[in-house]
Amino acid sequence: QKEVEQNSGPLSVPEGAIASLNCTYSDRGSQSFFWYRQYSGKSPELIMSIYSNGDKEDGRFTAQLNKASQYVSLLIRDSQPSDSATYLCAVTLTGGGNKLTFGTGTQLKVEL
Amino acid sequence: SAVISQKPSRDICQRGTSLTIQCQVDSQVTMMFWYRQQPGQSLTLIATANQGSEATYESGFVIDKFPISRPNLTFSTLTVSNMSPEDSSIYLCSVEGQGSGSYGYTFGSGTRLTVV
Repeated sequence: QKEVEQNSGPLSVPEGAIASLNCTYSDRGSQSFFWYRQYSGKSPELIMSIYSNGDKEDGRFTAQLNKASQYVSLLIRDSQPSDSATYLCAVTLTGGGNKLTFGTGTQLKVEL
Repeated sequence: SAVISQKPSRDICQRGTSLTIQCQVDSQVTMMFWYRQQPGQSLTLIATANQGSEATYESGFVIDKFPISRPNLTFSTLTVSNMSPEDSSIYLCSVEGQGSGSYGYTFGSGTRLTVV
């Protein structure tokens, strides 16, 4: 079992719709969770971090964390073509200190 | 948020040679992280670089192949030694910091390495 798992996609959504990206992790003791966006040929950009169960909202983005079920998700409301990118989930593992372990990423395509 | 300047942005190198990648941060940071992203893949941590001590390498990565220097709290280098085509990847440095309203880890712009 991979430590951090994401569907590779592509996930296609129409412009204006809600895009839902999911991530599961295997380490029950993980404490910190991050979502990154990576455009083709660019480095990852931090979108959100979340540490506690529940929802965290920032603009059009909402991160959701459920530690009991070991998943974290990212919702993108009013999706725009500029949101088309690969979204990476990253987790800090128990005993790993500040090191991030990344999932393989989900490619999102927002279609006109 | 911390701003990281990474160079070179890209290079094409002959097999058997070495390339040194530099990362300069605009603020002092305790730890710097070096990642590799192979074509079509996600990020894999190579090592963590602390100022004043030896870098800590992840499983599968060794100092002889990827020597790291961390002479001060704002600068680090990663060398890819005795390169082979399998080393063709994007190499990224990262530090902790504030980004887009969340605290996390920011990345340099990356070095795209092609070994021929």
